[in-house]
Amino acid sequence: AQKVTQAQTEISVVEKEDVTLDCVYETRDTTYYLFWYKQPPSGELVFLIRRNSFDEQNEISGRYSWNFQKSTSSFNFTITASQVVDSAVYFCALDSYNFNKFYFGSGTKLNVKP
Amino acid sequence: ETGVTQTPRHLVMGMTNKKSLKCEQHLGHNAMYWYKQSAKKPLELMFVYNFKEQTENNSVPSRFSPECPNSSHLFLHLHTLQPEDSALYLCASSQERAGGSNEQFFGPGTRLTVL
Repeated sequence: AQKVTQAQTEISVVEKEDVTLDCVYETRDTTYYLFWYKQPPSGELVFLIRRNSFDEQNEISGRYSWNFQKSTSSFNFTITASQVVDSAVYFCALDSYNFNKFYFGSGTKLNVKP
Repeated sequence: ETGVTQTPRHLVMGMTNKKSLKCEQHLGHNAMYWYKQSAKKPLELMFVYNFKEQTENNSVPSRFSPECPNSSHLFLHLHTLQPEDSALYLCASSQERAGGSNEQFFGPGTRLTVL
């Protein structure tokens, strides 16, 4: 089976707190890509990051960081010092190279309160 | 225009109406996608076109009919819809649909309400 699980439906934090959004994936493919997208209230999904299955290096981009661990099939996303503008729904996604299928998780709604 | 545009942004239609959603991408991509986003199922991939050819149809009812006349334009023709079809319809594009690696760029969506 191939799927993406985002167990956290909704998270609320206070501004400046750090927050981690969990993503667990399942695939039979050995070559795959993982993504994170942000969907602000305006509705348009915004691409944040892509990571391929052969690159387990963690990545940091400003306040955003991603932790990819193949051993636990997880690709977690951390926002450091959260801001109100980070409030959105965040989707994790899996793209399977050999099965040529794209799967989105159910999304995590993040509320950052001032 | 830049990125991916969708028109109309909002649409209200009766169950007997026929309407069309339009998507246009200005990114030089070769793959385009239709997604349905509703409260019950957050993001459902409906159709995929790669170089104008339909490569995926995820068991979508025939009352939804896609059309891709060229790599820049994608339409979704709607007829005899049901109230449960009310949702946000998102269009996306990517360089191509080649088994991974290409991130998708999304339009703002069309909010559809079926009365």
